[in-house]
Amino acid sequence: AQSVTQLGSHVSVSEGALVLLRCNYSSSVPPYLFWYVQYPNQGLQLLLKYTSAATLVKGINGFEAEFKKSETSFHLTKPSAHMSDAAEYFCAVSGFDGGPDMRFGAGTRLTVKP
Amino acid sequence: EPEVTQTPSHQVTQMGQEVILHCVPISNHLYFYWYRQILGQKVEFLVSFYNNEISEKSEIFDDQFSVERPDGSNFTLKIRSTKLEDSAMYFCASSQEDYRLTDTQYFGPGTRLTVL
Repeated sequence: AQSVTQLGSHVSVSEGALVLLRCNYSSSVPPYLFWYVQYPNQGLQLLLKYTSAATLVKGINGFEAEFKKSETSFHLTKPSAHMSDAAEYFCAVSGFDGGPDMRFGAGTRLTVKP
Repeated sequence: EPEVTQTPSHQVTQMGQEVILHCVPISNHLYFYWYRQILGQKVEFLVSFYNNEISEKSEIFDDQFSVERPDGSNFTLKIRSTKLEDSAMYFCASSQEDYRLTDTQYFGPGTRLTVL
């Protein structure tokens, strides 16, 4: 079965600094990986997804993530944080393990300081 | 851009009451899902629905829960007799194709259910 682990429940960066949110996955089959963002009092919004094409995936709002099979990682990055990036970020995995459900990580809350 | 919509945005109910949460999936999608997120916890899968029947459900989705697609556009989640621990944000999602074809699920904004 697939699962994801997000390292760090809370990440704080200064405005303009690099954002790095970590996600490691566990999967017995090639995974399909996703990053979702949840702004306060809002639903989940898809940032980007990896579906076995390019290993570097570019998403919305300047975010990107790189699939590294050797490290079983799919970390989310953004070169320069903006105040509007403050939100909860969820890594998720789905695959061919017999279930249609997407498995989510516990989430990482990103705080951006002025 | 088409989106999943959910109503109401916030539902307050008394313990033991029945609630129905409403979702309108994206119109050409065929697979529908409900998830929940208890405050401060991760998003959890409840159930998936295809071709007018449940295709998968988690251990959370017990006999108190049911889903229905009453017409061509709505997808509802009913909780028969709410408990305090049902208080959570409930997300509806839909996808065009089967998960086996790696399609992305699109999520609605959620309904916050508060059970008093």
